[in-house]
Amino acid sequence: QVQLQESGPGLVKPSQTLSLTCDVSGDSISSYSYYWSWIRQHPGKGLEWIGYIFYNGHSYHNPSLKSRAILSVDTSKNQFSLKLSSVTAADTAVYYCARVETNISGAFDIWGQGTMVTVSS
Amino acid sequence: SSELTQDPAVSVALGQTVRITCQGDSLRSHYANWYQQKPGQAPIVVIYGGNRRPSGIPDRFSGSSSGTTSSLTITGAQAEDEADYYCHSRDNSGNQLVFGGGTTLTV
Repeated sequence: QVQLQESGPGLVKPSQTLSLTCDVSGDSISSYSYYWSWIRQHPGKGLEWIGYIFYNGHSYHNPSLKSRAILSVDTSKNQFSLKLSSVTAADTAVYYCARVETNISGAFDIWGQGTMVTVSS
Repeated sequence: SSELTQDPAVSVALGQTVRITCQGDSLRSHYANWYQQKPGQAPIVVIYGGNRRPSGIPDRFSGSSSGTTSSLTITGAQAEDEADYYCHSRDNSGNQLVFGGGTTLTV
């Protein structure tokens, strides 16, 4: 079955860049049927969409992140990545990667388990 | 972008029916999807495309929509349904994705 797995540092210093990767297994990231997305959840809070990317590199981002978020895709490794620059304590959250259907529903149908990232010196 | 508004908390007696609502202008044009999240776990989709249920989701979960409001209904709520529920859809442009603030369901 399809599985997504996030990886990356659990601790990032303020002003640095947070880098996460999502490994996709059981499906090709080059599928026309899906986008690949990042979502985060601040401690005790709700879900926040960060952005999504298509296999060809076309992407959309949450404007609230003010262009700090860069998504990329590596089809040869069947993975996609998130870089979030100039982080502050407000970026401390659980970060999820997820698969998004490109059909009319646009649902996040498969999620990774999530990875906690703390921003602290 | 647009916002999706949910009640922060809802409670239901065991075996009774509960409706969780999500309100937003973009829901006139785009389907709502609903996710269940239990403590320490990733969300799972329980309703997609407004009223479709993924395999493995009990049929007591259903979805509906009217105007700017989409609803998730649990008919005969069970103790294991106690969780946070989030709606999700697209904004009016269709390109941005947005979540509701979430509803904590107590059974």
